[in-house]
Amino acid sequence: QSALTQPASVSGSPGQSITISCTGTNSDVGGYDYVSWYQQHPGKAPRLMIYDVSNRPSGVSSRFSGSKSGNTASLTISGLQAEDEADYYCNSYTTTYTWVFGGGTRLTVL
Amino acid sequence: QVQLQESGPGLVKPSETLSLTCTVSGVSMSSITYYWGWIRQPPGKGLEWIGNFYYSGNTYNPSLKSRVTISADASKNQFSLELRSVTAADTAVYFCARRWGSSSRRDIWGQGTMVTVSS
Repeated sequence: QSALTQPASVSGSPGQSITISCTGTNSDVGGYDYVSWYQQHPGKAPRLMIYDVSNRPSGVSSRFSGSKSGNTASLTISGLQAEDEADYYCNSYTTTYTWVFGGGTRLTVL
Repeated sequence: QVQLQESGPGLVKPSETLSLTCTVSGVSMSSITYYWGWIRQPPGKGLEWIGNFYYSGNTYNPSLKSRVTISADASKNQFSLELRSVTAADTAVYFCARRWGSSSRRDIWGQGTMVTVSS
């Protein structure tokens, strides 16, 4: 079970938009619409930002959106704010009834 | 308000068994709506899914399956993690979390507990 592939880091200026990719295979990301995204600030527990590819839980800003094309899921953050600086992880269901995380992406707001 | 709280020893010796408990409040674990799981994060590294408990059966990370057991005590509204034959590589922050069935919605997490494997 290999981790999903995410860029190690992305950066953007306040007000800009950024996209974080999460690449898997037909056996995970490409096979199911069960992809979620988590935000994690240092020393804190992960926070759910997007679930089932593109659904946003109540309380999460509409600046966060998710999508999927083939074996790659994406998280887009528009109107970047300083508080968005954090680590982001994707997570997908797999054909073996298990779950796999991405390696994580460090977002820096310049 | 649903809350999860991990508890257990912060230090475990190599080759011994790591045992943690997650206490659930604000919702009954007996509900078939939810799965209850464990995720860990080694220092400075990413998240790793360990496994899920569900009333009809558990699933585990294949890389840990031979050493892991997740069980539940519905009367106490708690579920537990046992990881046997630990090594330094099992040193991590361990999180418990709730996930909705038929969804990737893992919406409630505990604060996490640090476990160090060392003699």
